[in-house]
Amino acid sequence: SQQGEEDPQALSIQEGENATMNCSYKTSINNLQWYRQNSGRGLVHLILIRSNEREKHSGRLRVTLDTSKKSSSLLITASRAADTASYFCATGSYTGGFKTIFGAGTRLFVKA
Amino acid sequence: EAQVTQNPRYLITVTGKKLTVTCSQNMNHEYMSWYRQDPGLGLRQIYYSMNVEVTDKGDVPEGYKVSRKEKRNFPLILESPSPNQTSLYFCASSPGVAASYNEQFFGPGTRLTVL
Repeated sequence: SQQGEEDPQALSIQEGENATMNCSYKTSINNLQWYRQNSGRGLVHLILIRSNEREKHSGRLRVTLDTSKKSSSLLITASRAADTASYFCATGSYTGGFKTIFGAGTRLFVKA
Repeated sequence: EAQVTQNPRYLITVTGKKLTVTCSQNMNHEYMSWYRQDPGLGLRQIYYSMNVEVTDKGDVPEGYKVSRKEKRNFPLILESPSPNQTSLYFCASSPGVAASYNEQFFGPGTRLTVL
């Protein structure tokens, strides 16, 4: 069953602009993670935010988490062409085991 | 170099012919997992293992088997592959028992086609 749902499914912006992607989930979680995937390759972990945290920063990345709305957002500031990739949120929870559930992803295209 | 390796990277096979996709990590991670990725569906967890001899089902375990006899290896077995198992498969590992607290490191993927 899908847990995280990303929005939008696809996003096209100009280099230098900010990109915002949203993720919603359905059940309670221990943490939420964001991953990046370049065209059919393995996923790379970007950032993890725990359920008791509201905001986290890492370089040009800013992640927020609203557990009351069961949603998270990933902001990439001053985007670059090299940020072109698919971005996935993944929720970790103990519900039914130590599972990780990924959303369908947002495809980001940054035009130079 | 710390990494997760998968073999083979590409495989074309026929319905019913048993196959194994190997996964190995050199980071001494306790948690390992298999995912399949299909267009529009993101990654779906097949099986995971919290430690040697401890495995559990993910969301889509039907048609797959796994084993964890050694900490570093976590092979995925398809006893009788069918065309609906055509997909891109990823193995991942994580340092802690509770992967939900730790980032996962992914292998490069195995593209499987079942004719």
